[in-house]
Amino acid sequence: DVKVTQSSRYLVKRTGEKVFLECVQDMDHENMFWYRQDPGLGLRLIYFSYDVKMKEKGDIPEGYSVSREKKERFSLILESASTNQTSMYLCASSFSLGQPQHFGDGTRLSIL
Amino acid sequence: GQNIDQPTEMTATEGAIVQINCTYQTSGFNGLFWYQQHAGEAPTFLSYNVLDGLEEKGRFSSFLSRSKGYSYLLLKELQMKDSASYLCAVRDHSGAGSYQLTFGKGTKLSVIP
Repeated sequence: DVKVTQSSRYLVKRTGEKVFLECVQDMDHENMFWYRQDPGLGLRLIYFSYDVKMKEKGDIPEGYSVSREKKERFSLILESASTNQTSMYLCASSFSLGQPQHFGDGTRLSIL
Repeated sequence: GQNIDQPTEMTATEGAIVQINCTYQTSGFNGLFWYQQHAGEAPTFLSYNVLDGLEEKGRFSSFLSRSKGYSYLLLKELQMKDSASYLCAVRDHSGAGSYQLTFGKGTKLSVIP
């Protein structure tokens, strides 16, 4: 089974802090994704990566950046956290275009 | 861009059949996925349609009509554990979006005894 592991289930940070969310997958998948999920808005794509050191903006990239230095790891960075970034963050990976995405358990991030 | 619509909530009785609809508008359709998400958990993959017709997988089936921009997820012999949100997601083949899915807001299904 595919395993997508996110470093924290719950995280509390303060406004202005730099926040790192880590995601690791163990199936040698090419593609990795970061989403946020908010009530009434559903899942929205922040950034994705289709190869090491490659990244593409999703629908809501503002206030975020990403890093993919190794194939198995995809990091989401909040450069200066703000309260409107309080959300559930979900990482996903997929082997190729035609394959479904596999999700991690999510990180519930609160910015105070 | 894409527009994906699905009902916000549905309620059905244990043992019954329920159909969850999803309509979409996209310029470069390249596949439709259904995911199940229990409260507080990660979405899990249920089905994938890229051609018109019905895909059956046990108690779950998914149908696609590309000309109508329409899909449905059919759940048979409902069980209490089927209470979850069901997410419709469309893959668009246009430009940089060829790798990304756009998700609907999800349908929260409640199964009652």
